[in-house]
Amino acid sequence: QVQLQESGPGLVKPSETLSLTCTVSGGSTSSYYWSWIRQPPGKGLEWIGYIYNSGSTNYNPSLKSRVTISVDTTKNQFSLKLSAVTAADTAVYYCASNRVGPSRGWFDPWGQGTLVTVSS
Amino acid sequence: SYELTQPPSVSVSPGQTASITCSGDRLGGKYACWYQQKPGQSPVLVIYQNNKRPSGIPERFSGSNSGNTATLTISGTQAMDEADYYCQAWDSSTVVFGGGTKLTVL
Repeated sequence: QVQLQESGPGLVKPSETLSLTCTVSGGSTSSYYWSWIRQPPGKGLEWIGYIYNSGSTNYNPSLKSRVTISVDTTKNQFSLKLSAVTAADTAVYYCASNRVGPSRGWFDPWGQGTLVTVSS
Repeated sequence: SYELTQPPSVSVSPGQTASITCSGDRLGGKYACWYQQKPGQSPVLVIYQNNKRPSGIPERFSGSNSGNTATLTISGTQAMDEADYYCQAWDSSTVVFGGGTKLTVL
């Protein structure tokens, strides 16, 4: 079964770029849709974007200008970069798998999540 | 932008039926799914494509979706069902989550 694990710095300075990686085991990043989702402390879930077909992407319009999602199929990993971060970007960041795609798909499984704090 | 609205909180007595709603414009024409999240844990899928249960999810969890409202129903609610629940749907190839509902079993 597919398992996901996020990794990356837990602390990022304001105005810098947040970078996270999700390592996939039990499945191939060359198939399916791979998403990033975040959750600010004490708040709800916010979809960031997804990558599929080994490179096509779709992003949340509210974050689109700052987000880049990429994939490394040789390492079976996909990554998130979020630029010009502020304290409002402090959140638990999850990676998740969607096997069906837009309009019909659901997220399962999810990674365990990683807390990223934006602070100087 | 498309929005999904959930009640912030729902309370239920053990053994009773809990219903959590998710409202959105013509939501019945889309597929809705539901996630359960317990404190400190990742969300877990409990219902997908309106009314399907993933393997391992108890039969007491069921879903429906019609008109402008999707509903998650938990029959014979147990103390272990106390958690936050989020609905999710798609709009124009983007993902939308509801704001979440805290289910209290008391």
